[in-house]
Amino acid sequence: NAGVMQNPRHLVRRRGQEARLRCSPMKGHSHVYWYRQLPEEGLKFMVYLQKENIIDESGMPKERFSAEFPKEGPSILRIQQVVRGDSAAYFCASSPASGRGEYFGPGTRLLVL
Amino acid sequence: DAKTTQPNSMESNEEEPVHLPCNHSTISGTDYIHWYRQLPSQGPEYVIHGLTSNVNNRMASLAIAEDRKSSTLILHRATLRDAAVYYCSRTYKYIFGTGTRLKVLA
Repeated sequence: NAGVMQNPRHLVRRRGQEARLRCSPMKGHSHVYWYRQLPEEGLKFMVYLQKENIIDESGMPKERFSAEFPKEGPSILRIQQVVRGDSAAYFCASSPASGRGEYFGPGTRLLVL
Repeated sequence: DAKTTQPNSMESNEEEPVHLPCNHSTISGTDYIHWYRQLPSQGPEYVIHGLTSNVNNRMASLAIAEDRKSSTLILHRATLRDAAVYYCSRTYKYIFGTGTRLKVLA
């Protein structure tokens, strides 16, 4: 049973470009969560999605960030017009249901030049 | 405030038990308590979770206070591979604290 997959593992973007981070949850998991981790800091919740629905996006910056989890395919975290402060590790996690424990992917490390 | 609070760091000798505390004084009745750990440059790894009763699995035990305002992760015999940052979190908004950096001494 494959774990949570994230790609790319590393992403380099110049300021003003768009970053697209993909997350494929574990088989049978319909709940997806995105977190951001700045260097030497803890995890910060961004958004919680179920298939085709955003359940809680209270941790997402109001501008430039968006997330989706379509009926088919991976969940996508999109960052438009990236800035240097967006450089961080972005982790995706999935669970079969809320409160059941989340399984994390290896993360995407975004570097904005 | 929905934060969890944990000590910044702890040390343990190898082969000895470790008790990692977490305070979650504003937890609601339906929030689960989760523990994760993170090794350098890796994603967090699920360790254990519970609601009211103490829980055991092959990795650790979780002791939950009767009022649910605190919990303790117990590693029964620490090994060098257990050195990591340990996070406790609660279901609502999946809030993680800054975690406890566990150092295991050989």
